[in-house]
Amino acid sequence: EDQVTQSPEALRLQEGESSSLNCSYTVSGLRGLFWYRQDPGKGPEFLFTLYSAGEEKEKERLKATITKKESFLHITAPKPEDSATYLCAVQAGSYSSASKIIFGSGTRLSIRP
Amino acid sequence: GAVVSQHPSWVICKSGTSVKIECRSLDFQATTMFWYRQFPKQSLMLMATSNEGSKATYEQGVEKDKFLINHASLTLSTLTVTSAHPEDSSFYICSARDSRGGLAGFQYTQYFGPGTRLTVL
Repeated sequence: EDQVTQSPEALRLQEGESSSLNCSYTVSGLRGLFWYRQDPGKGPEFLFTLYSAGEEKEKERLKATITKKESFLHITAPKPEDSATYLCAVQAGSYSSASKIIFGSGTRLSIRP
Repeated sequence: GAVVSQHPSWVICKSGTSVKIECRSLDFQATTMFWYRQFPKQSLMLMATSNEGSKATYEQGVEKDKFLINHASLTLSTLTVTSAHPEDSSFYICSARDSRGGLAGFQYTQYFGPGTRLTVL
């Protein structure tokens, strides 16, 4: 069964304290892995898509990486405005099969000034 | 990036009434849209997949007669909560599938709307 697990559930950092969020996945045929940011009371905001192991994407203080089993969202020198829930999702399945995106439960990131 | 809008952003209604929520892809065409429900401090729960010009596919446990979905065009899907009750109060979020940028027919990105907060009194 396809599965996506995010850790930790919650992470509190001091402003400027770099860290990483983990997304472990077990799927049959990865088509894409996605990272989203969600603020309270809002819909998820798209951050990155990663298609294959070894790929990296960067945006401001965020960098996403991926291996065959997991993805990391690295946050460098975070600021309080980076506080949010970060969601990982995977699209899986063979070329001929329809596929949905499976979401992890998210990591709630809190950055203290 | 792709933009998805939802309307209304919030709605309060009386028990027994019906509520319609619209989801639009503003700068791309979406043959497939999705409707999610989210409770406080929980992750997204997929309710149904909406395909343009055909019937929606509902997830197990979601009542199709209660949550009516219509995907009449390539940019618009609607979710109608019929005979709403307080237990239907939740945050409803739509998303649209964008196939641009990925391998056609195989890879896509989902963009989400801002969500609709439904409160049923």
